[in-house]
Amino acid sequence: QVHLVESGGGVVQPGGSLTLSCAGTGFTFSRHAFHWFRQAPGKGLEWVAVISDDANSKYYGDSLQGRITISRDNSKNTVHLQLNSLRREDTARYFCARAYTVFGVATDYWGQGTLVTVSS
Amino acid sequence: EIVLTQSPGSLSLSPGEGATLSCRASQSLPTRYLAWYQQKPGQAPRLLIDGVSRRAADIPDRFSGSGSGTDFTLNIDRLEPEDSAVYFCHQYGSSPTFGQGTKLEI
Repeated sequence: QVHLVESGGGVVQPGGSLTLSCAGTGFTFSRHAFHWFRQAPGKGLEWVAVISDDANSKYYGDSLQGRITISRDNSKNTVHLQLNSLRREDTARYFCARAYTVFGVATDYWGQGTLVTVSS
Repeated sequence: EIVLTQSPGSLSLSPGEGATLSCRASQSLPTRYLAWYQQKPGQAPRLLIDGVSRRAADIPDRFSGSGSGTDFTLNIDRLEPEDSAVYFCHQYGSSPTFGQGTKLEI
């Protein structure tokens, strides 16, 4: 059974940093690309970043460009999203989701998300 | 960036009725990279349809997708109470975007 679990969220002050993790089980992790999405309270979904199965390709959305880094460790079946210089408007639930390629294939499984709150 | 606009914003229907949810893209999608997701409160989005009209695994045939170019539709037949959720359309090209969602209440 495919299972994705995000962790690492919490309360952080403006300007602070946070690293989110996503652990995958129940499938061959290294065969999939992974996306991060976010959803601000009461708002719609926004694409954040994607990393290819071999980590050779990484792409970022405009809103967090330059402030985030996506990475993965296939030996530990985890994907990470490092968030830097956080702003109040980055407050959201962050989801990871798997796909077979970076673009052109819909994500089929998502985690429950981890909440990031940027507040002083 | 491709902007997706969904209508209506909300919909209230009775069990057994059918629902038609629309998604309009700001520019034509040259490929069939259009999906629909269902999201219930506190849950992760669930893939219903990808490639405009292909049902995902374990999705009942009450759910169907159609469309081309800039106009896409999700139809849900024989509504059940558990279909109450927010439905998002999503284009998964090189700069993925989502519609703002349609809240369906049964």
